[in-house]
Amino acid sequence: GDSVTQMEGPVTLSEEAFLTINCTYTATGYPSLFWYVQYPGEGLQLLLKATKADDKGSNKGFEATYRKETTSFHLEKGSVQVSDSAVYFCALSEWSSASKIIFGSGTRLSIRP
Amino acid sequence: KAGVTQTPRYLIKTRGQQVTLSCSPISGHRSVSWYQQTPGQGLQFLFEYFSETQRNKGNFPGRFSGRQFSNSRSEMNVSTLELGDSALYLCASSPDRGNMNTEAFFGQGTRLTVV
Repeated sequence: GDSVTQMEGPVTLSEEAFLTINCTYTATGYPSLFWYVQYPGEGLQLLLKATKADDKGSNKGFEATYRKETTSFHLEKGSVQVSDSAVYFCALSEWSSASKIIFGSGTRLSIRP
Repeated sequence: KAGVTQTPRYLIKTRGQQVTLSCSPISGHRSVSWYQQTPGQGLQFLFEYFSETQRNKGNFPGRFSGRQFSNSRSEMNVSTLELGDSALYLCASSPDRGNMNTEAFFGQGTRLTVV
């Protein structure tokens, strides 16, 4: 079945450092890909998404590019802030069941001032 | 516009009891999905309701059930609670099912503790 694999955390960085969180996926069809973020004590918020190959999703300085050839959707940010500390989830959904989202295990990110 | 509202926020139940969780989607949204989040298993899809019909189901035992009302509000029920059912239960709503450009909006969740 479909699955998402993302890098294990926790990841600890200093403020203004460059961030990469790796994500790869396995899917039988042509999924949409997402990054969600969960702040402490809150639900999930969609950070960015890409619905087809070579699309780049971006939001709040974060970017990820849908790479079909490497089945990857790595999250990057050029300069992280303390406020970016959260858990990040890579996810996918298939066209046939768009409301069924399959999540990776999550990566906890901590940013030191 | 109000977001997805889940009630209650916290619940403590005893093994063997049953529990009902409620989710009010964003106004106009017809699809409601439920997810279980645990430290060990992560985020897992439970089921999705669209126009009062269950349209998709995850791999959970029959003790987990749900329903959707004509106003799109949804409830999920867990019977014969087990310690392993302790989790954060998240509800998500979206305007339509099958539209790849539709975003799912999540509530803050209900934290269920089974003792």
